[in-house]
Amino acid sequence: AQTVTQSQPEMSVQEAETVTLSCTYDTSESDYYLFWYKQPPSRQMILVIRQEAYKQQNATENRFSVNFQKAAKSFSLKISDSQLGDAAMYFCAYRSARRWGKLQFGAGTQVVVTP
Amino acid sequence: DTGVSQDPRHKITKRGQNVTFRCDPISEHNRLYWYRQTLGQGPEFLTYFQNEAQLEKSRLLSDRFSAERPKGSFSTLEIQRTEQGDSAMYLCASSDSATNEKLFFGSGTQLSVL
Repeated sequence: AQTVTQSQPEMSVQEAETVTLSCTYDTSESDYYLFWYKQPPSRQMILVIRQEAYKQQNATENRFSVNFQKAAKSFSLKISDSQLGDAAMYFCAYRSARRWGKLQFGAGTQVVVTP
Repeated sequence: DTGVSQDPRHKITKRGQNVTFRCDPISEHNRLYWYRQTLGQGPEFLTYFQNEAQLEKSRLLSDRFSAERPKGSFSTLEIQRTEQGDSAMYLCASSDSATNEKLFFGSGTQLSVL
């Protein structure tokens, strides 16, 4: 069974600074997808960024980028130039390429942005 | 595109009662998912549909839970004889098969069982 671990319950960052969220996962599969989702107080889960395991290049979406280390089964998220609107719960998630319906989420990291 | 809609937003019920939640996916999406999220945890997979077919059901779903998507559009999740342990947020998401890795989530239904 796959597991996703987020070891940081909370991270604090000042506006305009950079914060990195950690995620590790366990799988025996070689083909899969990894995601970071954001959940603000409105509770709606919003996709931040995704990474296909077969791609070596790290995904980037504006101020968000990942560091994907397949051998180490590590998938960290870097938020650059942090903004107050980035404050939310961030979840790392795994999906097997064979089972498109099921996302496996970590426990989440609360990001606090201070002015 | 009005997004994924869930109704109701909040539901308070007494233990032993039945409850039903509704999810309206994005109109052109043929895939629909249900997840459950308890306080301080990430969402847990419950079940998913492609069109009207329920393709997988988690072991988390006991016999008291049933989900349907009768015409491949909206879906309902029913919990019979609710227990306090059912208290959670129930999230619905949808996607289309062309871009199945991108799920669009609703804002959830918060269930409290007293």
